[in-house]
Amino acid sequence: GAVVSQHPSWVICKSGTSVKIECRSLDFQATTMFWYRQFPKQSLMLMATSNEGSKATYEQGVEKDKFLINHASLTLSTLTVTSAHPEDSSFYICSALPASGSDEQFFGPGTRLTVL
Amino acid sequence: AQKITQTQPGMFVQEKEAVTLDCTYDTSDPSYGLFWYKQPSSGEMIFLIYQGSYDQQNATEGRYSLNFQKARKSANLVISASQLGDSAMYFCAMREGIGGYQKVTFGIGTKLQVIP
Repeated sequence: GAVVSQHPSWVICKSGTSVKIECRSLDFQATTMFWYRQFPKQSLMLMATSNEGSKATYEQGVEKDKFLINHASLTLSTLTVTSAHPEDSSFYICSALPASGSDEQFFGPGTRLTVL
Repeated sequence: AQKITQTQPGMFVQEKEAVTLDCTYDTSDPSYGLFWYKQPSSGEMIFLIYQGSYDQQNATEGRYSLNFQKARKSANLVISASQLGDSAMYFCAMREGIGGYQKVTFGIGTKLQVIP
């Protein structure tokens, strides 16, 4: 149980285009989902916290107009990287917090974004 | 101050031996949780073990145990009987806050290589 999927698992796009990444909790409902970014050989850095039905809370230094987050249902959150540039190339990982009250976040397998 | 400090960029261990990965943390929150995750080269974050700040006993999960020393603010991971498949990056993480208001901070990781 507690499986989180991400789609796509990897994507290559041209500079200036937008890319949408989906995060789904497959067997549980998640009131809160988190988006992290991991640059090569670095740790995970929290980008934003997404609560179902409300606006996402972004960490300092993360541009909300560039990284659009939508959490429209209890099982789906999306991250859209708008006007992507090579410096946005990174590993994006989502996690989901069960609505049951568990404090453990369950992580997705990640999405590797390469912007040419 | 760093919230999570992992001082070992890389560690080697002989197969079947035990290894300790260090982690110290800093928080003023009386209620917090400590996690260890394994990240193989494929990128997914694999949950290993959890220790709550109020837990009296050290957490254990199979070959993994967490040496929790609250006064010293350390939460070292001990892997017993290392296996070749244990070679990966290992991240220590701390959760502060609860529910949708929680925030998880990750250390920079330790790369463990198991030698046959």
